[in-house]
Amino acid sequence: GQQLNQSPQSMFIQEGEDVSMNCTSSSIFNTWLWYKQDPGEGPVLLIALYKAGELTSNGRLTAQFGITRKDSFLNISASIPSDVGIYFCAGQLKGAQKLVFGQGTRLTINP
Amino acid sequence: DTGVSQDPRHKITKRGQNVTFRCDPISEHNRLYWYRQTLGQGPEFLTYFQNEAQLEKSRLLSDRFSAERPKGSFSTLEIQRTEQGDSAMYLCASRTSGDHSPLHFGNGTRLTVT
Repeated sequence: GQQLNQSPQSMFIQEGEDVSMNCTSSSIFNTWLWYKQDPGEGPVLLIALYKAGELTSNGRLTAQFGITRKDSFLNISASIPSDVGIYFCAGQLKGAQKLVFGQGTRLTINP
Repeated sequence: DTGVSQDPRHKITKRGQNVTFRCDPISEHNRLYWYRQTLGQGPEFLTYFQNEAQLEKSRLLSDRFSAERPKGSFSTLEIQRTEQGDSAMYLCASRTSGDHSPLHFGNGTRLTVT
């Protein structure tokens, strides 16, 4: 089945640093989504991307839909303590209903 | 709050018992999804409803699992004869039918089978 390879699996950074994570796949996706999940909570949507090459920002977050449609990245600028959590990418194939999720990137911030 | 609501938040049950979870989607969302998430993994798709019709089921959904959405609003997920391997977070999500309508998740029901 389709798989998303998300990297890195974990990141330990200092407050104020920029963060970059990405997802790649062997399949072509029509939609890429980025979610953040805090412990004991459900995933919260951060950014949705619907067009190859699309670059979208949400505050300090920026995500891009790769032009090959097989990858996406998420950047976080000037990290703050509340950015701590697990970030998931998710892709949707054309005509499919389900989302395929990556394994997540756990972000830890040292104050 | 008009987000996706799930009940209960936590459920501890003994192996072999039946459990049922409820999901109330965002009110104008006609599509409802169930996902399962185990520790350290991303959510995995279980099943999907459009209105009251269950249109897709994953191979993960064994015959001990059944989901319903009788009136096209709330949904229930039942697990019969629970096994320890069923321990996971069960997430419900909803969206509208629009092409650019993203999926919104509830806070899940964490099931522990002892």
